[in-house]
Amino acid sequence: AQKITQTQPGMFVQEKEAVTLDCTYDTSDPSYGLFWYKQPSSGEMIFLIYQGSYDQQNATEGRYSLNFQKARKSANLVISASQLGDSAMYFCAMREGYRDDMRFGAGTRLTVKP
Amino acid sequence: NAGVTQTPKFRVLKTGQSMTLLCAQDMNHEYMYWYRQDPGMGLRLIHYSVGEGTTAKGEVPDGYNVSRLKKQNFLLGLESAAPSQTSVYFCASSPGSVRAQYFGPGTRLLVL
Repeated sequence: AQKITQTQPGMFVQEKEAVTLDCTYDTSDPSYGLFWYKQPSSGEMIFLIYQGSYDQQNATEGRYSLNFQKARKSANLVISASQLGDSAMYFCAMREGYRDDMRFGAGTRLTVKP
Repeated sequence: NAGVTQTPKFRVLKTGQSMTLLCAQDMNHEYMYWYRQDPGMGLRLIHYSVGEGTTAKGEVPDGYNVSRLKKQNFLLGLESAAPSQTSVYFCASSPGSVRAQYFGPGTRLLVL
């Protein structure tokens, strides 16, 4: 069964607008961590933001914020004031409990239009 | 501070050939991982290590072996390459199991 689901294969956003990338997850473990990574066309994987299941507040890192809705098991990434350099693949990932492995979603390709 | 480096960047193999991919990290991280990335499938974990001298299987371990003889290095071996192993391989390291992973630049492997 899919642990991490990203339902948007591709998204478009106008420069300077905000965009939300969806991520839903499936786990029965009360302790888990959720991560978002960016993969530009150059290929490297860049860590963006982390949310722990017990964190009371939504995580934020600069223009990135995570809309964490625990009951709905969703962890959407919000990018504010999109820039052309935000065009990339974005991956959601989850680590359950104190497992040592991490599962990734299939990714969403974001294109920022000028 | 180089972070995570991978050697080689690109390789072409014939079916049945063997090769070793090298991953090195200079961040003193305990945990290291090998993933493969295929179109439309995100990243899948092949093997990982939680410390020097340890290795464990991930989601797709068949056809691969690994070794972690030194803390800073994690080797991925293909004993008899198959076309199904054509992929981009990423190495990552992490200071702990609940912390973010930091990735290398990837190795593109083509098996003919």
